Amino acid sequence: DGGITQSPKYLFRKEGQNVTLSCEQNLNHDAMYWYRQDPGQGLRLIYYSQIVNDFQKGDIAEGYSVSREKKESFPLTVTSAQKNPTAFYLCASSTTGSGGNEQFFGPGTRLTVL
Amino acid sequence: GENVEQHPSTLSVQEGDSAVIKCTYSDSASNYFPWYKQELGKRPQLIIDIRSNVGEKKDQRIAVTLNKTAKHFSLHITETQPEDSAVYFCAASRGAAGNKLTFGGGTRVLVKP
Repeated sequence: DGGITQSPKYLFRKEGQNVTLSCEQNLNHDAMYWYRQDPGQGLRLIYYSQIVNDFQKGDIAEGYSVSREKKESFPLTVTSAQKNPTAFYLCASSTTGSGGNEQFFGPGTRLTVL
Repeated sequence: GENVEQHPSTLSVQEGDSAVIKCTYSDSASNYFPWYKQELGKRPQLIIDIRSNVGEKKDQRIAVTLNKTAKHFSLHITETQPEDSAVYFCAASRGAAGNKLTFGGGTRVLVKP
């Protein structure tokens, strides 16, 4: 299960706190992604990045922020502005180029707001 | 933006029978359609994908068909086995536009022995 890792596996947050989820990959992929998965639902894109120092909002970016200072790392911060942050968060990475490319997922972080 | 709908949301089949999951998409410019399998508590993993220049692709017991005119694609699993029990997600993207995937809502497949 190497290649793309996430930490921590479980995270508990009090209301009003910001928390940062880690995502690291050693696959030499240019693109990285953050998804949110709620029980019984599909994956919704939060942010994605195709290259270092550049990222774009996905479908549900409000209340989240990211940075991409290194190719290997794409941390996600869940801010206090996110009203319902309890969810399973998945990070993914892929190569870039036309025609579509397989996304490889990390093991996920389960965030619970107390 | 793209919208992907997936049906059914749950599917129960007898071991050895076939399972079919269907997805429709809205963006006619989408040209890459992967299928992911997510076992309980694990990460999604790609099982098969298809690009818009082909209508069908097979890999052992799984196959995917694509109808670009109707904007729908389907996953077919033959001779189902208990280890096929999982949640399956379809997705679509414009492959040239940043590889951004839009996922369907998922289908929970239960294979009964």
